[in-house]
Amino acid sequence: DAKTTQPPSMDCAEGRAANLPCNHSTISGNEYVYWYRQIHSQGPQYIIHGLKNNETNEMASLIITEDRKSSTLILPHATLRDTAVYYCIVRVGSGGNYQLIWGAGTKLIIKP
Amino acid sequence: NAGVTQTPKFQVLKTGQSMTLQCAQDMNHNSMYWYRQDPGMGLRLIYYSASEGTTDKGEVPNGYNVSRLNKREFSLRLESAAPSQTSVYFCASSELWGSSYEQYFGPGTRLTVT
Repeated sequence: DAKTTQPPSMDCAEGRAANLPCNHSTISGNEYVYWYRQIHSQGPQYIIHGLKNNETNEMASLIITEDRKSSTLILPHATLRDTAVYYCIVRVGSGGNYQLIWGAGTKLIIKP
Repeated sequence: NAGVTQTPKFQVLKTGQSMTLQCAQDMNHNSMYWYRQDPGMGLRLIYYSASEGTTDKGEVPNGYNVSRLNKREFSLRLESAAPSQTSVYFCASSELWGSSYEQYFGPGTRLTVT
């Protein structure tokens, strides 16, 4: 069963920041949050991951609440090419034996 | 460096037929995965192989078998296809580097069972 819940769809204007929320209220202390996106029906693409600290890379920022029950993915300057389904995922397992538990995702539409 | 490759890209089967989906990766990753994705849904794990020589069931293993042929290759077999197995199948591979466990995905196989 999915461990995350996300809104099914969101719109964002081109050039603005896109903020995608995710709830993971049952996450355990050692479980990481990952974000992937899927453009059209291609294979999903990794964006970012984190445990409890905020993270930033060249694609996005990840803000995790202090209680770790929710997080927000931020695309700072959305472009039309960022239109995709964005998945918030929890990594479970241990000792090198890991699985990603996928939710239904948020369809993000960037509008000109 | 091709990453993760899958064959075939498309396949149509009749109910009861069998087939094997092939997956190969050239990144020297230990772990490999098979997922299915139904329309409008996220990915569901069918089987995975944490390392060469091991395989484990995921969320939806019924009706499938897998073989980790070597470190590079991980195949998925449908012994008797059913319409409920119509889906897009993705193979992925990964390696744990520090805290990062990025999975790399193939382009997918679109399977229709009539």
